[in-house]
Amino acid sequence: KAGVTQTPRYLIKTRGQQVTLSCSPISGHRSVSWYQQTPGQGLQFLFEYFSETQRNKGNFPGRFSGRQFSNSRSEMNVSTLELGDSALYLCASSFGGVQSYEQYFGPGTRLTVT
Amino acid sequence: SQKIEQNSEALNIQEGKTATLTCNYTNYSPAYLQWYRQDPGRGPVFLLLIRENEKEKRKERLKVTFDTTLKQSLFHITASQPADSATYLCALESTGGGNKLTFGTGTQLKVEL
Repeated sequence: KAGVTQTPRYLIKTRGQQVTLSCSPISGHRSVSWYQQTPGQGLQFLFEYFSETQRNKGNFPGRFSGRQFSNSRSEMNVSTLELGDSALYLCASSFGGVQSYEQYFGPGTRLTVT
Repeated sequence: SQKIEQNSEALNIQEGKTATLTCNYTNYSPAYLQWYRQDPGRGPVFLLLIRENEKEKRKERLKVTFDTTLKQSLFHITASQPADSATYLCALESTGGGNKLTFGTGTQLKVEL
């Protein structure tokens, strides 16, 4: 079974621009979660999508948004980029039941904002 | 607010010894606790999940304990190998359920020959 894939793997953007990251979950997984990882803050939860609906949301500003498609693929968008948005963005997929199942992470997208 | 603490200092041990990593949490009553391994530049990899009604869980050389009274989980790697060198993260489900996990900052383990 193919793992979680994320594109692109690396991205360099300028302050003020916007960016869209993509995530394809493991086949059969209906939940996709997004995390931001930085050396200072560690792994922080952004949001989770299940069956095309946002089910959970972290404490990030509205510049961070996401969506999920009917095939469970997900995208996250960051608008008006700031230097502090430089991070590794990870997506994780799981079966998505009401209980907390293990999550399978992709390799991440390394975003650098200059 | 909910807080998870893991040893921020790196843990260096000799090959063949048992590594023990600690995860403490406050203001939580999680139904589950999970442990992940992360190598540099890669996404975390799921290792073990333990439920609140389970005291201990094992998988090959790995053992996890979960003490809901102490609000602590211990993660053991027996007969450690240099290939076990990585950062180990504990994660708890956050209020709101679903798949919202809150991660600790991780403990870096280095197994030396």
